[in-house]
Amino acid sequence: EAGVTQFPSHSVIEKGQTVTLRCDPISGHDNLYWYRRVMGKEIKFLLHFVKESKQDESGMPNNRFLAERTGGTYSTLKVQPAELEDSGVYFCASSQVGGPTDTQYFGPGTRLTVL
Amino acid sequence: AQSVAQPEDQVNVAEGNPLTVKCTYSVSGNPYLFWYVQYPNRGLQFLLKYITGDNLVKGSYGFEAEFNKSQTSFHLKKPSALVSDSALYFCAVRDFGESSGDKLTFGTGTRLAVRP
Repeated sequence: EAGVTQFPSHSVIEKGQTVTLRCDPISGHDNLYWYRRVMGKEIKFLLHFVKESKQDESGMPNNRFLAERTGGTYSTLKVQPAELEDSGVYFCASSQVGGPTDTQYFGPGTRLTVL
Repeated sequence: AQSVAQPEDQVNVAEGNPLTVKCTYSVSGNPYLFWYVQYPNRGLQFLLKYITGDNLVKGSYGFEAEFNKSQTSFHLKKPSALVSDSALYFCAVRDFGESSGDKLTFGTGTRLAVRP
């Protein structure tokens, strides 16, 4: 069974440009999560989809970040316009049933560098 | 609010020796606790979790963790370290009693270095 995949693995962009990150969850997983690790700090929650609906977007830093999950399959996270402080590793995770006891399985991450 | 502390940025151990990676947590209700490992150029891999029941949880690659409610700790352990265990380890918590949804709260990570 394929795991969570993310594309691209690395992205280097100039400040003010737009970047779109993609996440493909494990097949059959309705729950999809985005997290971010900035400058070697803790990994922080961004948002949670259940199928195509946003269940919790309390971690989204500001309105420059837009996440979508059309059709309840893959998800995209767009940053527009990118700022220097957006640099970090963006992780996607998925889980089958959701809930506090369910295990989230993570992808390899996308390393974003904003110059 | 829920939080996790990993007090050591790095742990160094010789191959064959036991290892411990420390984690303490703070929640308002009952905790659900997780350990993940990140190998170089790889994503986060799930190691083990504590939900309820036996305080000693066994996971992948010979790792185990002990839940201690009185000390609010969930330290990761392995009886005999391997060089291949060298990686970045993250502790995470969910609070059953809080309306925090499904999100995991992570610590800052501990780098484990096992020398031959």
